[in-house]
Amino acid sequence: GENVEQHPSTLSVQEGDSAVIKCTYSDSASNYFPWYKQELGKRPQLIIDIRSNVGEKKDQRIAVTLNKTAKHFSLHITETQPEDSAVYFCAASRIPTFGRGTSLIVHP
Amino acid sequence: KAGVTQTPRYLIKTRGQQVTLSCSPISGHRSVSWYQQTPGQGLQFLFEYFSETQRNKGNFPGRFSGRQFSNSRSEMNVSTLELGDSALYLCASSPLPNTEAFFGQGTRLTVV
Repeated sequence: GENVEQHPSTLSVQEGDSAVIKCTYSDSASNYFPWYKQELGKRPQLIIDIRSNVGEKKDQRIAVTLNKTAKHFSLHITETQPEDSAVYFCAASRIPTFGRGTSLIVHP
Repeated sequence: KAGVTQTPRYLIKTRGQQVTLSCSPISGHRSVSWYQQTPGQGLQFLFEYFSETQRNKGNFPGRFSGRQFSNSRSEMNVSTLELGDSALYLCASSPLPNTEAFFGQGTRLTVV
């Protein structure tokens, strides 16, 4: 089955800094890689996704990059704000598999 | 458009009992997935259904089962409950597999 590794488990940054979260996957047949944000006590919500025929995708302060050869993909958040504080999950899709999550803390 | 609805929101059960959780997807969505969320374990995949067929299954014991009805609503069942089954169970619906998943608010199951 699919195996998704996510690092780091905790990431603490100052407001305005950039944050990078990295994931690796094992199943070369996976072709859809979403990222979800889960605020405390709330449900996960999609923030950005990428398909395997694309190497990079941006949406305002958020970007995702995908390296199919190395089987890894990363989430980049620029100019972080306190409201970015949450747990972020990556996922690989052939068999829906999530990473264990990264707790991002943005200090004002 | 109504979101994904899970019922009940909270459940307390005794070890050895069984439980059925329900998920109503967003109208028009035909794919439903189930996840178990516990602190430190993230989101662990249970099942994925599409058009009433189980498309994928995670690494959970046979006590965990599910199904999807013709209206895309889904249920999952856990038999012979164990203390370790205490968790938040999340359901997500998508128009199709491998597309954006919309999560419900979850069912908080406590086994005592």
